[in-house]
Amino acid sequence: EAQVTQNPRYLITVTGKKLTVTCSQNMNHEYMSWYRQDPGLGLRQIYYSMNVEVTDKGDVPEGYKVSRKEKRNFPLILESPSPNQTSLYFCASRRTGGMPEQYFGPGTRLTVT
Amino acid sequence: EDQVTQSPEALRLQEGESSSLNCSYTVSGLRGLFWYRQDPGKGPEFLFTLYSAGEEKEKERLKATLTKKESFLHITAPKPEDSATYLCAVQGSDWVGAQKLVFGQGTRLTINP
Repeated sequence: EAQVTQNPRYLITVTGKKLTVTCSQNMNHEYMSWYRQDPGLGLRQIYYSMNVEVTDKGDVPEGYKVSRKEKRNFPLILESPSPNQTSLYFCASRRTGGMPEQYFGPGTRLTVT
Repeated sequence: EDQVTQSPEALRLQEGESSSLNCSYTVSGLRGLFWYRQDPGKGPEFLFTLYSAGEEKEKERLKATLTKKESFLHITAPKPEDSATYLCAVQGSDWVGAQKLVFGQGTRLTINP
């Protein structure tokens, strides 16, 4: 089944404790992206990657890091999480040519206390 | 800056009562306009892509249309299982705009039996 997976689905952590949210897709998509979703603000892009070893900032990159060492994986790293990073996070992927629609993962609900 | 505004924020209908959701957008050049469905606690699920004014797409009880400034999602004779939040997003045609989706805040649709 073609899908985007994320882990963990739920995470409660404390301020300053480094964490990684994993994202993997099995559709051989070149492009991957991270979004956060907050009430009243909608979905906003954090980082994206056009292909392996090619990443760039989205609209809200502060406090986040990403890496793209393999085509299928695109982890989101919070080196020192803060309460304002409490949010619902989504990973998405798409092909770079042809149809541009993105396919989203199931989401990771992060709470930073 | 690309912008998307959806209205209404919330809509409650009786089963079988047809209606339309609105998505107004401003973008320097449109590569595509997307409609997604999002159920509580889940990732957005792709519904339609529209590329140019006048284009229409249909899927079961849903029909999406596009003008140069707006898109409408028409729901005909809805059923309770159509209850969800419907998201509209645009992708620009320039290099920067093509790297992300700009989302509206969504319309939360409730269909009462």
